[in-house]
Amino acid sequence: LAKTTQPISMDSYEGQEVNITCSHNNIATNDYITWYQQFPSQGPRFIIQGYKTKVTNEVASLFIPADRKSSTLSLPRVSLSDTAVYYCLVGDDNNNDMRFGAGTRLTVKP
Amino acid sequence: DSGVTQTPKHLITATGQRVTLRCSPRSGDLSVYWYQQSLDQGLQFLIQYYNGEERAKGNILERFSAQQFPDLHSELNLSSLELGDSALYFCASSESGSRGRELFFGEGSRLTVL
Repeated sequence: LAKTTQPISMDSYEGQEVNITCSHNNIATNDYITWYQQFPSQGPRFIIQGYKTKVTNEVASLFIPADRKSSTLSLPRVSLSDTAVYYCLVGDDNNNDMRFGAGTRLTVKP
Repeated sequence: DSGVTQTPKHLITATGQRVTLRCSPRSGDLSVYWYQQSLDQGLQFLIQYYNGEERAKGNILERFSAQQFPDLHSELNLSSLELGDSALYFCASSESGSRGRELFFGEGSRLTVL
């Protein structure tokens, strides 16, 4: 079974901030949280990864509370091209048994 | 370009046949993963190899098998094909541990079983 739970879908509008939350209640001490983006008929692409607190890169931020049982991917000022499926993935330090959940289908509207 | 190469990109075959999908990981990556994605479905983890050894097994059917060779490329063999096996098959590779945890995906092999 996948280790994560996410909303099935979300809608947003261009220019808005989008926050997608993922639950991973059984996260282990050695597990990292990674988010991927997938466009139709393409392989998933890495967005961001974190272990605790907050991580920010040029495309997103990742917020992880102290108990690490959830995480939130934040996409600032989304555009139409951000319409995709977003996957939260929990994996150990050696990337073993990397099972994706159902993902969140984000639709950005004009 | 992720650096992961999958061949063939497209494959059309008939029920009952056998096919082999090939994956070349990024240079230096020791782990290879195989995923199946049916139309509008999520990514189903099939199997993982690390440096030639099976590391984890997911929802892989008995009709499917895989291996990773000494040069680290991997092959996924699908036999006695059924209509329901039609899907995109993705290969991913990664380093491990502190050397890197990101999965790099290939462009996929689209299998159509008629």
